[in-house]
Amino acid sequence: AQKITQTQPGMFVQEKEAVTLDCTYDTSDQSYGLFWYKQPSSGEMIFLIYQGSYDEQNATEGRYSLNFQKARKSANLVISASQLGDSAMYFCAMREGQGNTGFQKLVFGTGTRLLVSP
Amino acid sequence: DAGVTQSPTHLIKTRGQQVTLRCSPKSGHDTVSWYQQALGQGPQFIFQYYEEEERQRGNFPDRFSGHQFPNYSSELNVNALLLGDSALYLCASSFLLGQRKEKLFFGSGTQLSVL
Repeated sequence: AQKITQTQPGMFVQEKEAVTLDCTYDTSDQSYGLFWYKQPSSGEMIFLIYQGSYDEQNATEGRYSLNFQKARKSANLVISASQLGDSAMYFCAMREGQGNTGFQKLVFGTGTRLLVSP
Repeated sequence: DAGVTQSPTHLIKTRGQQVTLRCSPKSGHDTVSWYQQALGQGPQFIFQYYEEEERQRGNFPDRFSGHQFPNYSSELNVNALLLGDSALYLCASSFLLGQRKEKLFFGSGTQLSVL
């Protein structure tokens, strides 16, 4: 069965600094996708970044980048130049398959609460 | 372009009651999924609907049921509520046969409290 592990319940970072949020995963599938979502206090899950298991390069989306180490089964999120608005819960999630054959079911970790201070 | 909308935003029920939560997917999306997020946890997959049928189900009892309408909107029904059903219920929509980077679009959820 798939499993996502986020070992950091909370992280603190100063504004304008970079921060890394850890995520490790477990799956027996060769084909899978990894996501990071941000959940502010409003409750909505906001998509940040995606990495496919066959992608050769690490994904980047603006200030977000994903440090994908397949052999270690880790998919850490790096946020550069943190902003006060980055304070939120961050969830790592995994989807089996490449997502182009039908149904999508995500398995989520327990999340990391990030606090950005001025 | 409206995103995923859910109603109501908050709901208080007592044990044993039944509840119905509603979701309208993002425009153009044909697949709706429901997730339960208990306090301090990540969301857990309940089930997914496409073409008005339940296509995939997570590890949830039959007390949890759903429906999808021809306009792709969906309802989540929970019968015989337990205290442990208190959670944020998130609806997510997507295309069934999307590109491999297709992401789920989530609503802001319905916060259900069972007393």
